[in-house]
Amino acid sequence: AQSVSQHNHHVILSEAASLELGCNYSYGGTVNLFWYVQYPGQHLQLLLKYFSGDPLVKGIKGFEAEFIKSKFSFNLRKPSVQWSDTAEYFCAVRSNSGYALNFGKGTSLLVTP
Amino acid sequence: GAGVSQTPSNKVTEKGKYVELRCDPISGHTALYWYRQSLGQGPEFLIYFQGTGAADDSGLPNDRFFAVRPEGSVSTLKIQRTERGDSAVYLCASSPTGQNNSPLHFGNGTRLTVT
Repeated sequence: AQSVSQHNHHVILSEAASLELGCNYSYGGTVNLFWYVQYPGQHLQLLLKYFSGDPLVKGIKGFEAEFIKSKFSFNLRKPSVQWSDTAEYFCAVRSNSGYALNFGKGTSLLVTP
Repeated sequence: GAGVSQTPSNKVTEKGKYVELRCDPISGHTALYWYRQSLGQGPEFLIYFQGTGAADDSGLPNDRFFAVRPEGSVSTLKIQRTERGDSAVYLCASSPTGQNNSPLHFGNGTRLTVT
């Protein structure tokens, strides 16, 4: 069955710490990969996406993610987090042959001053 | 420009009642999606429209749930005989096309509480 797994449900970091959020998926065939962010009280926003080409993709606000096909992973990274990065982060996967974007359960990130 | 608009933002209803949730997508977006997000979970796919037709309704949990998009723009999600387990945030998203590389733009959602 198709699934998206986010390993860390709650992460607490101090400002300037480095961030890595894990995402693994279980899909056959070609996939499109996304990370969405939801800041408190706001709607889901696209952070970055991967469709093809360079497996290291850069998104908004200094975030990047690396697609490792052999590991079925698409981990999100940021070298130095800020208090304003406090939010819920969702990994999402869509099969190239389907319509539905399937989300992981999300990771709640709290950045302390 | 205007984003995806969902109304109402909050809806409280009694068990057994009928509710309608409305979504106004971004103008010109042909693809429209409904998702449901329960507490502590990621958004769960319900239904996808391409234009006026429901291209994929495989995520609707049962026949109490129904959605329409009669003119290919505004969509309404309808829930009959609501149950307490239907309580969740219902999210709408739109996309310029239905192509797989087209990101989704989400609304703020409607928080449905069934008492």
